[in-house]
Amino acid sequence: EPEVTQTPSHQVTQMGQEVILRCVPISNHLYFYWYRQILGQKVEFLVSFYNNEISEKSEIFDDQFSVERPDGSNFTLKIRSTKLEDSAMYFCASRTGQGGIDQPQHFGDGTRLSIL
Amino acid sequence: AQSVSQHNHHVILSEAASLELGCNYSYGGTVNLFWYVQYPGQHLQLLLKYFSGDPLVKGIKGFEAEFIKSKFSFNLRKPSVQWSDTAEYFCAVRTGGFKTIFGAGTRLFVKA
Repeated sequence: EPEVTQTPSHQVTQMGQEVILRCVPISNHLYFYWYRQILGQKVEFLVSFYNNEISEKSEIFDDQFSVERPDGSNFTLKIRSTKLEDSAMYFCASRTGQGGIDQPQHFGDGTRLSIL
Repeated sequence: AQSVSQHNHHVILSEAASLELGCNYSYGGTVNLFWYVQYPGQHLQLLLKYFSGDPLVKGIKGFEAEFIKSKFSFNLRKPSVQWSDTAEYFCAVRTGGFKTIFGAGTRLFVKA
């Protein structure tokens, strides 16, 4: 069964540095998402991406965040000038465009981001 | 604002006990409802989903959930839990837009 893959599994970065989290969605999917889960808290929506543009974003997704689909397979989340509070597990998800919106999102394993 | 509430943050059960995890949401329109499970050290996995039709939906591993529209609820049930069901369970709601809103999660620990 195809899966969403995320790299790296664990990223340790100094505060103030830029970090890029990478995701390879399922190949025929058209909708892409990033979520994060701070330790002990709920999973929070960050952003959705469709047709090469952001379709929706949360208040968490401020100017320090950006997403990109640089080629036909990768979907990246960039955090500029990281802060301690950015430490979390970041999940990528994707969804097919077929069958309308009644399709679930498939989640990757997550990247644990630790800001020192 | 849309929100999802899970009533129990921690649940401890013995094997073979019955399970019911509560989930309520606040949104007046059409919703898609999901339960996800996250086993220790693993990614989120879809347990079951409701889009329309029969409000009682069956998922993987013997789980089921019932959508009660009048109560804005989507409770998860399993008649007899196993030690391997130890995990965190998330209720989630999608309201027709692009994003999915998650509840805070319920940690289930099943004693062998």
